[in-house]
Parts: sequence; structure tokens; C-alpha cells
Amino acid sequence: DTGVSQDPRHKITKRGQNVTFRCDPISEHNRLYWYRQTLGQGPEFLTYFQNEAQLEKSRLLSDRFSAERPKGSFSTLEIQRTEQGDSAMYLCASSDGTGDYGYTFGSGTRLTVV
Amino acid sequence: GQNIDQPTEMTATEGAIVQINCTYQTSGFNGLFWYQQHAGEAPTFLSYNVLDGLEEKGRFSSFLSRSKGYSYLLLKELQMKDSASYLCAVLNQGGKLIFGQGTELSVKP
Repeated sequence: DTGVSQDPRHKITKRGQNVTFRCDPISEHNRLYWYRQTLGQGPEFLTYFQNEAQLEKSRLLSDRFSAERPKGSFSTLEIQRTEQGDSAMYLCASSDGTGDYGYTFGSGTRLTVV
Repeated sequence: GQNIDQPTEMTATEGAIVQINCTYQTSGFNGLFWYQQHAGEAPTFLSYNVLDGLEEKGRFSSFLSRSKGYSYLLLKELQMKDSASYLCAVLNQGGKLIFGQGTELSVKP
């Protein structure tokens, strides 16, 4: 297993367009998390899944954001009608749920909305 | 509420020792983590404390006092490659990692 993979690494989009990001977690991990990180800040929690169930969604996440993990493996994060304030690094992480080693993070998708 | 505080930035000299402090107030506590993050890269796991005391791992050590809501990361024999952001994070009652804003460490020759 090569760790957590995210695609694409970079995305530039025009304001108002929709974008979708993909995350492939470590295969044995049942938990998958999405975070958003802006420059000079720590990652902010967006949402997480245990297997295919979305267990929690941050109040920071507006209705324009939706995430899925249809078969309990990979996940997608979609942002509709992007705004300049959505520009950030979107990080995906997975864990085995025991908490002993925290999360393993992917390299992130850097979104720039112009 | 949930709050994790750490200094925004620190500077230290190559070969020296630096201590990065973190204080926290969270809804429940299931462990404290330190991550290292180089610019443009993913955070990578450094250490984990769930009981009070010091955990040592090579040049890096991490300390926890649960009664004081306090932790520190100690980096010894600093190297230029240690220049990075260091993130303090608490695993809360819901099993979610809550991060501080990160401490940007600059190591100078």
C-alpha cells in the first residue's frame, strides 16, 4: 500500500464552477477524513466517514460542499459554485480508528479559485 | 468550546535545542499528537502522548500533562531540514483530530 492518495494535486478553476476531488485511503483503514488548510493555519475539520457512513459534518461546510464514500473505499469531495474563499489546500486522511498513530495524510489538493 | 494554542513562529540555531509549547481545551481527550509539515506537503506523524510524561524518539521528545492541558515538543541537535511547521493536535471524545494553528520553526546556520 502506498499510503493515502489524492487527485488532482492542483486545481485552478473559475469562480462559479464545480470541482471534485478524489481520495484513496490506506486500504485497511475504515475511517476517512477531509480537512481544509489555508496558509499559516492548521488543518480544519470538514467531515469524516466510517466505512461508507458519513458520521459528522462541520458547521463550516456550507451546502455547496458534499462528500461521498459510496463503497467504503475511496471518497470524493465536491464543491459547487466555487467562491474565491474556497481557495485552500484540501487534505484527506485515513485511520484504523484506534487512534494510536493518529491519521495518515495524503499530499492534498491545492485549489485556487480565480 | 475547543481551543489549541501554540506560538505562531520560532527561530533557533542549527545544533541547538528548541521547545515548542502547546496548551489545549477540548471536549474530551483521547491523546495528543505532534505532526511536522513542510511547505506544500502533507503533515507527517511525529509523536503521540496519551498518558502524562515524556516520550522520547531519537532527536524528538514530547511531553504531556493532562491536568494542565499542556504539551511540548522538544527538538534536539537541530538541523536545517527541521525548518517546518509543527502542528499540535488533540484527539477529542468523538475521535476527531483538532489542530492548533501550527508553529513555523526556522532553523538558521
